[in-house]
Amino acid sequence: NAGVTQTPKFRVLKTGQSMTLLCAQDMNHEYMYWYRQDPGMGLRLIHYSVGEGTTAKGEVPDGYNVSRLKKQNFLLGLESAAPSQTSVYFCASRNQDRGGSNQPQHFGDGTRLSIL
Amino acid sequence: AQKVTQAQTEISVVEKEDVTLDCVYETRDTTYYLFWYKQPPSGELVFLIRRNSFDEQNEISGRYSWNFQKSTSSFNFTITASQVVDSAVYFCALFYSSASKIIFGSGTRLSIRP
Repeated sequence: NAGVTQTPKFRVLKTGQSMTLLCAQDMNHEYMYWYRQDPGMGLRLIHYSVGEGTTAKGEVPDGYNVSRLKKQNFLLGLESAAPSQTSVYFCASRNQDRGGSNQPQHFGDGTRLSIL
Repeated sequence: AQKVTQAQTEISVVEKEDVTLDCVYETRDTTYYLFWYKQPPSGELVFLIRRNSFDEQNEISGRYSWNFQKSTSSFNFTITASQVVDSAVYFCALFYSSASKIIFGSGTRLSIRP
């Protein structure tokens, strides 16, 4: 059981280039999230999805787009990379809440992205 | 406002000492969940515990224990008899039901010296 898998693990881009980060989960989770982690700032939510075909903005959505065409995949796109987007990106997924019990998020191992 | 504050940026203790990581939260929701995650040097995030706002019972799991106090809006995490393998960044997080979102504190870097 792979859990949450992020690809790639590392990437270096030039300013203005575009790229897509892939998050795949094999737990049949409804909810998926993209975060960025910057020193001293914890994790900040970029975009999230509550089900296949749906996406919503998080705390820091500007400069990013997402798509959830298949339940198991959540793609994060950088349209025109900027140095301010240098960060570690984490994907997470979780099940629907059951019986009033909030389910914990399961995280991928992260993608380290550097924009030169 | 919804907010999680981890005022301790870095903590360093000698192995076998007890250490407490502080977490203070703010929320207007009456239904919410609190979490602790561990991020070891390898970088992945590991789920440690979840508490809901209606259950203030403290929890102990081996050397780990959590003290949830609604009166002070705190959810502190104590490691007893710390070990070098406990060295990591620890994140406290708040999930608030009104927006179905989770927010994280800035993390506390814990270093355990042999």
